[in-house]
Amino acid sequence: DAMVIQNPRYQVTQFGKPVTLSCSQTLNHNVMYWYQQKSSQAPKLLFHYYDKDFNNEADTPDNFQSRRPNTSFCFLDIRSPGLGDAAMYLCATSRDPRVDEQFFGPGTRLTVL
Amino acid sequence: AQKITQTQPGMFVQEKEAVTLDCTYDTSDPSYGLFWYKQPSSGEMIFLIYQGSYDQQNATEGRYSLNFQKARKSANLVISASQLGDSAMYFCAMRGARTGANSKLTFGKGITLSVRP
Repeated sequence: DAMVIQNPRYQVTQFGKPVTLSCSQTLNHNVMYWYQQKSSQAPKLLFHYYDKDFNNEADTPDNFQSRRPNTSFCFLDIRSPGLGDAAMYLCATSRDPRVDEQFFGPGTRLTVL
Repeated sequence: AQKITQTQPGMFVQEKEAVTLDCTYDTSDPSYGLFWYKQPSSGEMIFLIYQGSYDQQNATEGRYSLNFQKARKSANLVISASQLGDSAMYFCAMRGARTGANSKLTFGKGITLSVRP
């Protein structure tokens, strides 16, 4: 089935140790999004790619970077994770951001020790 | 700027009964879309239902319906015949139809629904 896949589902890293989360999609959607969601809060958009165009949210820390090497894959890099970066990270896709719903992956729960 | 408000405390409903989850919104866009997502404890955000601001009829998807009152700027989700598997967090979200900042989803804070057997 077409879907949004996130690996790993659970990631444990150490304070300051770089970590990469991955997202892939078989929907061939143009747009891929990364959200951060902390416990009992709404998802917070970090950035998104519209095809190859990268769109960073103004309040996304520089510690967070993203790469989209092709249509199917998108990566979230956290260069120096802090304790405050522990959260669920959700990847989503949409075909046309103006009219279509976003399809979410299962998320990666990041723990920072 | 777009804003979604979900102010209900945790909601409880008896299995097989109907429940309404409230959502109000604010936007200056003449055209916009409203969404409801369900997030079970596993974490995945599941799309439930969509309502366009110019849609003449309220959206329905199986047991889910959206009570859209444009003048009141409300988009309440109605779940009929609640099931134990409906226990989850529910998020209301809005997107403006234009490109740029308003093309992204703005989420409310969510409502926790618990279905009692």
